[in-house]
Amino acid sequence: DTEVTQTPKHLVMGMTNKKSLKCEQHMGHRAMYWYKQKAKKPPELMFVYSYEKLSINESVPSRFSPECPNSSLLNLHLHALQPEDSALYLCASSQDDSYGYTFGSGTRLTVV
Amino acid sequence: GEDVEQSLFLSVREGDSSVINCTYTDSSSTYLYWYKQEPGAGLQLLTYIFSNMDMKQDQRLTVLLNKKDKHLSLRIADTQTGDSAIYFCAESSHQGGKLIFGQGTELSVKP
Repeated sequence: DTEVTQTPKHLVMGMTNKKSLKCEQHMGHRAMYWYKQKAKKPPELMFVYSYEKLSINESVPSRFSPECPNSSLLNLHLHALQPEDSALYLCASSQDDSYGYTFGSGTRLTVV
Repeated sequence: GEDVEQSLFLSVREGDSSVINCTYTDSSSTYLYWYKQEPGAGLQLLTYIFSNMDMKQDQRLTVLLNKKDKHLSLRIADTQTGDSAIYFCAESSHQGGKLIFGQGTELSVKP
């Protein structure tokens, strides 16, 4: 298995909703990442987990809450989002902290 | 801090070669990557090069690295309409897992 799987592929949520994005990999990678991407812009790093511990939080608003239940799973819990949070959310994993990044196909989030 | 720069647009004719350029500032970069993103899709890793290499070839793709000038290029031979996409250059170092992306080059291939 050489893939990063993200669910759901599309999500529409209201500003008062709570939802979660899920990411899974079975490549034995020890680092996992959340990126946010606006149309035709580069991905922006949000969070890095290394060995299941949060190692980087790029000053992301608290309405985004990451969770790493085990070495294969990464979640992003969403609450009270704003319309400007609408974007493609990409999960990635890597063998260590500098090599072998693999991206999922993303969750396209629309906040209404 | 780290910075990666690319030109924003490139237009070529089908069958020609495309060359997409990238410059970076982090001298501690370990790996340099090229990703392709088609409309509405995620990021597809095309190729990567380790910082102690000068060149890497993979079928129609050739990556050239000039470490002295911190310049990376991606050459696509015999460019096809299916190569139309945004191409992102990215770099990483042994400094905590950050992958730093350029702004992306939108490649348009005309028949």
